[in-house]
Amino acid sequence: SQQGEEDPQALSIQEGENATMNCSYKTSINNLQWYRQNSGRGLVHLILIRSNEREKHSGRLRVTLDTSKKSSSLLITASRAADTASYFCATSGNTPLVFGKGTRLSVIA
Amino acid sequence: EAGVTQFPSHSVIEKGQTVTLRCDPISGHDNLYWYRRVMGKEIKFLLHFVKESKQDESGMPNNRFLAERTGGTYSTLKVQPAELEDSGVYFCASSQAPRDWGGYTFGSGTRLTVV
Repeated sequence: SQQGEEDPQALSIQEGENATMNCSYKTSINNLQWYRQNSGRGLVHLILIRSNEREKHSGRLRVTLDTSKKSSSLLITASRAADTASYFCATSGNTPLVFGKGTRLSVIA
Repeated sequence: EAGVTQFPSHSVIEKGQTVTLRCDPISGHDNLYWYRRVMGKEIKFLLHFVKESKQDESGMPNNRFLAERTGGTYSTLKVQPAELEDSGVYFCASSQAPRDWGGYTFGSGTRLTVV
């Protein structure tokens, strides 16, 4: 089955720096989504990129998708302490949303 | 509009006991999904309701888990009897469009601890 695999598993950066997280998957998809989970809270939908798109922006977020390599990246620019959370990619195709294990991002003030 | 509501937010039970989790989707959302994240692992799909019908329950781990959505409104997920490996965070999500459209709204989750 398809599965999002995030990389790195954990990332620690200083406030103001950029954070890049990567995701790889195995099968064809309709779209790929990124979610955030703050500690002890629910999943928040960040951005969705369709399989025919290559790049998408939303505020400080930039997502790329390379379907030939079955990979995606999430870039958070000018990070803030409030960005500290776990980030998950999720793929959507002919099966329910499939999530990876996530990247734990820590932004140090 | 109110979001997806889950309760309890946290439940601690002993092995062998029964626990029932509840999810109230966004009003008007026919599609309701249950997912769970076992500690340190990926978030896994459990099942998908369309209104009161189970569209896909391929992710339910075993027959100790029972999900219902009577009347097509809120849903419950019962674990009976609970085992240690059931510990984790259980998420509920709802959407207007079918599952492959994306952009689900998730609840805050229920953290289940089985001791």
